[in-house]
Amino acid sequence: RKEVEQDPGPFNVPEGATVAFNCTYSNSASQSFFWYRQDCRKEPKLLMSVYSSGNEDGRFTAQLNRASQYISLLIRDSKLSDSATYLCVVNAPRAAGNKLTFGGGTRVLVKP
Amino acid sequence: GAVVSQHPSWVICKSGTSVKIECRSLDFQATTMFWYRQFPKQSLMLMATSNEGSKATYEQGVEKDKFLINHASLTLSTLTVTSAHPEDSSFYICGRVRNTEAFFGQGTRLTVV
Repeated sequence: RKEVEQDPGPFNVPEGATVAFNCTYSNSASQSFFWYRQDCRKEPKLLMSVYSSGNEDGRFTAQLNRASQYISLLIRDSKLSDSATYLCVVNAPRAAGNKLTFGGGTRVLVKP
Repeated sequence: GAVVSQHPSWVICKSGTSVKIECRSLDFQATTMFWYRQFPKQSLMLMATSNEGSKATYEQGVEKDKFLINHASLTLSTLTVTSAHPEDSSFYICGRVRNTEAFFGQGTRLTVV
C-alpha cells in the first residue's frame, strides 16, 4: 500500500459546480496534513493546511478523518482558474526525522 | 516573494556529463532540505534529505553515488546528478519545512540528450 494515495482523476467539473476528493494515508502516526496545488511544470504551492476540526478558506474546505486515515478537499463554486493538480502532503515522523510524503495528485479540470 | 530559490530552472546536458542544481533558503537557516523528483504525470518522489554538516539521508532505491548532495551551509543545499543519462531527465524540486509548512524551489527541468 502506498504511503499516501489519491485518485488521479481527472475530475471534469462544470464551472460553478462543487467537487470533492480524498487522500488516504497509511501511517497512523502522521502529524500534519496539507493540500498543495501544482500547475503544469511549476512548483507546488500551499493551498491550505488541514486541521483536526476541519477548516475552510473561501471556497475551499478541508477535512481530516483520523479514524479512517484520510483527508478531503472540497471546492465550491469552481472557477476556471481552479484547474490544476491538487497534491495532498502528509508529514510523518520517522527515525531519520520527519518526512513529507506527497500523494500522486488529483487533476481537476474546470470547464465553462 | 520566494523563500526557496532553485537554480537553474532548466538545463539540457549531454549524456555522461554532470549537472549541479542549487537550492537556497532565502529567509531561514535550514538545517534540513528535501530533494524530490517528478517524472511526467507522476507524483513528487522524495529522493533524499540533506542535513547541514552531515551526510544526506537517501530514500530506498536512490543511488547516493549518482545523486550527490551537499549541504555545506545553513542556506545552501546542492544536488549533483553525476554521469547523467536520458533516464535521469526529470523535474527536480527542493524544499524545506518551517513550522510544519513546506516551501519549494521553482524546480529544475533536466533534459539529458
